[in-house]
Amino acid sequence: GDSVTQMEGPVTLSEEAFLTINCTYTATGYPSLFWYVQYPGEGLQLLLKATKADDKGSNKGFEATYRKETTSFHLEKGSVQVSDSAVYFCALTGTASKLTFGTGTRLQVTL
Amino acid sequence: DGGITQSPKYLFRKEGQNVTLSCEQNLNHDAMYWYRQDPGQGLRLIYYSQIVNDFQKGDIAEGYSVSREKKESFPLTVTSAQKNPTAFYLCASSQGYLNTEAFFGQGTRLTVV
Repeated sequence: GDSVTQMEGPVTLSEEAFLTINCTYTATGYPSLFWYVQYPGEGLQLLLKATKADDKGSNKGFEATYRKETTSFHLEKGSVQVSDSAVYFCALTGTASKLTFGTGTRLQVTL
Repeated sequence: DGGITQSPKYLFRKEGQNVTLSCEQNLNHDAMYWYRQDPGQGLRLIYYSQIVNDFQKGDIAEGYSVSREKKESFPLTVTSAQKNPTAFYLCASSQGYLNTEAFFGQGTRLTVV
């Protein structure tokens, strides 16, 4: 079945540091890929998405590129802020049209 | 405003009791989902429904039940058969097509006392 593997956290960075959170997936066909963000005590919000190979999703300075050859969708941001502290989830929708999530990566940004 | 509403935000259950978590959406979405979130384990799919009067088991359906009698409503019952129900429960909905995003409720934190 479909699966998503994320790098384990927590990730601790200083403000203005470069962020990479790795995500790889296993799925049949051509899944759509997503990054969601969860702030403490809240539900998830969509951060960005990509629906086909080589697409780049971007939002709020975050970017991720759909790499079919490496089955990856790594999240990057050039300069993180304290307000980016949250849990980030990589996810996909496969042929069954159900969302499958990774385990989440907690990001802590310090001054 | 369109959105997805879960209630209650906090719920306490005595051992041996069934409890029902509410999830309502006014987004006219076809698909709805229930996830359970535990620390360090991410989100695990309990049940999902792609159309009214139909639903499928997810990865951890044992001890849970759902119904989908109306398009806008997808309540989850945590039964006494669920051995470790204390968790954060998230409901979501989507249009149901492959590349559309899911919208999440604010969650219900269930605690067994």
